[in-house]
Amino acid sequence: DVKVTQSSRYLVKRTGEKVFLECVQDMDHENMFWYRQDPGLGLRLIYFSYDVKMKEKGDIPEGYSVSREKKERFSLILESASTNQTSMYLCASTPPRTGTGYTFGSGTRLTVV
Amino acid sequence: EDKVVQSPLSLVVHEGDTVTLNCSYEVTNFRSLLWYKQEKKAPTFLFMLTSSGIEKKSGRLSSILDKKELFSILNITATQTGDSAIYLCAGFPMRFGAGTRLTVKP
Repeated sequence: DVKVTQSSRYLVKRTGEKVFLECVQDMDHENMFWYRQDPGLGLRLIYFSYDVKMKEKGDIPEGYSVSREKKERFSLILESASTNQTSMYLCASTPPRTGTGYTFGSGTRLTVV
Repeated sequence: EDKVVQSPLSLVVHEGDTVTLNCSYEVTNFRSLLWYKQEKKAPTFLFMLTSSGIEKKSGRLSSILDKKELFSILNITATQTGDSAIYLCAGFPMRFGAGTRLTVKP
C-alpha cells in the first residue's frame, strides 16, 4: 500500500514563526498536493506539484510556499505564521494516471497562537 | 472557475434510513469523480467514477455519475451509526466539495 507520511500530527506555533510541514510518499508518485481543511469549507488546494522542482499555485496560495527538491518529499512552508492559518493540513499524492485518486496523509493540525 | 458543490451540507437521520448525497461539478480537464469518507483522520477512498450511468456498489453504499448533467450521487441504505462521517466529493484532478456531514442517530 502507498503510504503518505506527514511528519507531525499536531503542531502549535507562535504568530510570526516560520513553519515547515513535511510530507513524504513512498510509491514514486509524480503528483503531490497540499490542502487545508476548515469546517464548512471542505478541502481547499494550496499548492501542487507535478514533478521535482515544479510547483503550481492552487486556490489559496497566499501566505504559503512549497518546496519539492526530491520526488518523494513535498514541503509546505508558512513564511510567517498567522492565526488565520490555524487549520488541518492534508498532503496527498497520486501517480499520473490513477485508478483510486488521491492517497492522503493523516494530516497535521496546526494551531497558531 | 472550477467548482464542486455538495448538498446537503449537513444531514441527521436515524438508523435504518436511506440517504442520498449529491455532488455537482465543473472541473477543467475532468477525468473522474471521487467519493471519500472522513471520520477523525484522513479521508478514505470509497468510489471512483469515470463513466456515466454505471453504478458502483460496495455493501450498503452505491454511487453513480451523470457526465451530461455533471453530477453524482452517493446512496447509503440501512444506515448505521458507523456511517456517521463527512462525505467528500472530488472532481479529479484536484477540486473537492465542502463535504456533507452525516449524523446517524441510534
